[in-house]
Amino acid sequence: GAGVSQTPSNKVTEKGKYVELRCDPISGHTALYWYRQSLGQGPEFLIYFQGTGAADDSGLPNDRFFAVRPEGSVSTLKIQRTERGDSAVYLCASSLNPGTLHYNEQFFGPGTRLTVL
Amino acid sequence: QQQVKQSPQSLIVQKGGISIINCAYENTAFDYFPWYQQFPGKGPALLIAIRPDVSEKKEGRFTISFNKSAKQFSLHIMDSQPGDSATYFCAATGRGSARQLTFGSGTQLTVLP
Repeated sequence: GAGVSQTPSNKVTEKGKYVELRCDPISGHTALYWYRQSLGQGPEFLIYFQGTGAADDSGLPNDRFFAVRPEGSVSTLKIQRTERGDSAVYLCASSLNPGTLHYNEQFFGPGTRLTVL
Repeated sequence: QQQVKQSPQSLIVQKGGISIINCAYENTAFDYFPWYQQFPGKGPALLIAIRPDVSEKKEGRFTISFNKSAKQFSLHIMDSQPGDSATYFCAATGRGSARQLTFGSGTQLTVLP
């Protein structure tokens, strides 16, 4: 079956511009995560959705970052007034509903490489 | 604060050799420890995972060793193959509704033919 897809695969923008990154999770996965992976580093958690609501946005670095998931499936990560330090690969992952006592595997998309000039 | 420390940063082994990657964690609330494999241009993919109630888990050529008292765990790749050349990340997740992953910084493994 289809995995997690992300578009675009690459995005080049200029400092100060607004960008949107899209994630299509695996069908039936209620949990959706966004991570950011800087060059040579492991992914860092940004935000978690359970259904339509952002259940945990503690990883968002500042208020320029925002994400939505209006219908509980596709999610969009939005970055305002981009800065050069925002350049990274943005990864999306989805899973079945995670439980507090157990872990459901997160399946990652290929990521969107964002370059801010 | 880096909650999961990973070493080495890079590793070169000969085909057929054993690759060993080590990780240490600080947060005692972590209760699930997966390893991910990432090829260039791809997202991380789950390789193998362990819970702290066991000391070792083996799947094919891949083994995780876990030392709860030392808060350390390691990945062993037996009979390493050139196709294993990739970046490996250890990770951890703890009790909580989000179950987000905390990743180590990664190890770039190169297996020479």
